[in-house]
Amino acid sequence: EAGVAQSPRYKIIEKRQSVAFWCNPISGHATLYWYQQILGQGPKLLIQFQNNGVVDDSQLPKDRFSAERLKGVDSTLKIQPAKLEDSAVYLCASSFRLDNEQFFGPGTRLTVL
Amino acid sequence: GDSVTQMEGPVTLSEEAFLTINCTYTATGYPSLFWYVQYPGEGLQLLLKATKADDKGSNKGFEATYRKETTSFHLEKGSVQVSDSAVYFCALSVQGATPLVFGKGTRLSVIA
Repeated sequence: EAGVAQSPRYKIIEKRQSVAFWCNPISGHATLYWYQQILGQGPKLLIQFQNNGVVDDSQLPKDRFSAERLKGVDSTLKIQPAKLEDSAVYLCASSFRLDNEQFFGPGTRLTVL
Repeated sequence: GDSVTQMEGPVTLSEEAFLTINCTYTATGYPSLFWYVQYPGEGLQLLLKATKADDKGSNKGFEATYRKETTSFHLEKGSVQVSDSAVYFCALSVQGATPLVFGKGTRLSVIA
């Protein structure tokens, strides 16, 4: 079974630029999560989708971050404009149902200069 | 709010040494507890979990027991191997909701 796919694996941008990350969850997994992992810290939830609806986006900085999952399958996370403090690894995870084990992708490492 | 505190690393052990990584939690509800592992260059993987008090999760020689009285979920392994070198994360999820709350992670290096 293929795992959670993410791209790109690495991205370097300058502050005030925009960037987008893509995630393809495991086939059949209805729940999708985006986490932000800052160096030296554990991952923190940014947004959670159930199919194409948002379940929890309370931790998403909505003035600059946006995410969508239009067809209930893959998802895109965007940052516009980026700030230095957005440098982190962005992890995507999926699960079959809300109360199932989460499977994580390899992450996208973002560096904002 | 809900939080997880785990011992800071890095932890360096010789092969076959005994491992303990401490983890304590604060939760408003009755959480499920997890240990995740992140090997170099790979994504997070679930190592073990426990969903109620006194449950013991185990996998690949690792064990952790859910201690409600001490709000702890310490990770142990009797004899570590070089291949166990990774970053270990303790996490919780309040029952009925699945966003995970993670600790900061503990880097383990095992030397031959």
